[in-house]
Amino acid sequence: AQSVTQLDSQVPVFEEAPVELRCNYSSSVSVYLFWYVQYPNQGLQLLLKYLSGSTLVKGINGFEAEFNKSQTSFHLRKPSVHISDTAEYFCAVSALNDYKLSFGAGTTVTVRA
Amino acid sequence: DAGVIQSPRHEVTEMGQEVTLRCKPISGHNSLFWYRQTMMRGLELLIYFNNNVPIDDSGMPEDRFSAKMPNASFSTLKIQPSEPRDSAVYFCASTFQVGGSPLHFGNGTRLTVT
Repeated sequence: AQSVTQLDSQVPVFEEAPVELRCNYSSSVSVYLFWYVQYPNQGLQLLLKYLSGSTLVKGINGFEAEFNKSQTSFHLRKPSVHISDTAEYFCAVSALNDYKLSFGAGTTVTVRA
Repeated sequence: DAGVIQSPRHEVTEMGQEVTLRCKPISGHNSLFWYRQTMMRGLELLIYFNNNVPIDDSGMPEDRFSAKMPNASFSTLKIQPSEPRDSAVYFCASTFQVGGSPLHFGNGTRLTVT
């Protein structure tokens, strides 16, 4: 089975500052990795995904993440955040060709002016 | 593409009443998931359908919960009788094929059982 640990439950950050959200996963098999964002009163939306190939993945809204197999990590970064990036962010993992997606507990990002 | 459509957006009911949540997946998607989100337990997979057939219902909390998918464009999650501990946000999600394809989530149904 796969599991995900998001190391920060809350991340306050000032507008235009960089942000990094940490995600570590555990799995005995190869995996797919995802980051989703949830805005208030909405469902989850895909930010980016890693399936194979380049370990640096670029997503929507200026976010990127780097897959590090040796450290079993998939940290999410954005060089300059906006107020509109205030949301909850979820890291998720699934085994290859498996339907089960394991979600982390989420990281709440609050961007302040 | 209208996305995954869930109804109602909010449901308030009294303990013991029957509750039915509805979901219309994205046209062409053959996989449908029901999730429950709470502060205490995060996102939990309740049930997974593939081509309208329930494949994995191991996450359904107990016999009070049931889910159906009579056709490719409609699914229901029913709770009977409802209890206060069922209060949560219930999400429906769909995708074309599992394993790498992202899930598309609806906006959820916020259920409050008093």
